[in-house]
Amino acid sequence: AQSVTQLGSHVSVSEGALVLLRCNYSSSVPPYLFWYVQYPNQGLQLLLKYTSAATLVKGINGFEAEFKKSETSFHLTKPSAHMSDAAEYFCAVSEGIQGAQKLVFGQGTRLTINP
Amino acid sequence: DTGVSQNPRHKITKRGQNVTFRCDPISEHNRLYWYRQTLGQGPEFLTYFQNEAQLEKSRLLSDRFSAERPKGSFSTLEIQRTEQGDSAMYLCASSYDRGLEYGYTFGSGTRLTVV
Repeated sequence: AQSVTQLGSHVSVSEGALVLLRCNYSSSVPPYLFWYVQYPNQGLQLLLKYTSAATLVKGINGFEAEFKKSETSFHLTKPSAHMSDAAEYFCAVSEGIQGAQKLVFGQGTRLTINP
Repeated sequence: DTGVSQNPRHKITKRGQNVTFRCDPISEHNRLYWYRQTLGQGPEFLTYFQNEAQLEKSRLLSDRFSAERPKGSFSTLEIQRTEQGDSAMYLCASSYDRGLEYGYTFGSGTRLTVV
């Protein structure tokens, strides 16, 4: 079974600073990978996804992520944090490309932006 | 496209009562998923529908849980004889068949509190 590890349950950065949220997955085959953002009492909004095309994936709101097969990582970055980026971020990996194609999520990283 | 709609947004119930949640997916999507998210955790897969057929259920879905998707449109998730451990956010998501490539759209969730 797939698993996802998000290093750091809480990350705090200053406004304007680099955002780096870490995600490692366990997979013997290249999976599909996703980053979702969740604002308080809201559902999940897709930030970006890796689907075996370019290894550097650009998403919404200035976020991007790089797929590194050798490191089984898919870290999320943003060059300059904005106050509106404060939220919970979830990395997810696909479990199976046939059948249910369900997602396995990490435990999440809460991002706090300091003024 | 009005997105994925879930009702109610919040539900408080007494232990032992039955509750039912509704999910209206994006109309063109034939796949529908239910996930459960407990406090401080990432969402966990519960069950999946392809049109009206329920094709996979997680072992998290005990006998007290039942889900339906009549006519392949909206879906309901019922929990019988609720327990305090059922308190969680219940998320619905929908997608096209190639959900891994196009992504999954999540609703805002139903937050269940069992007292």
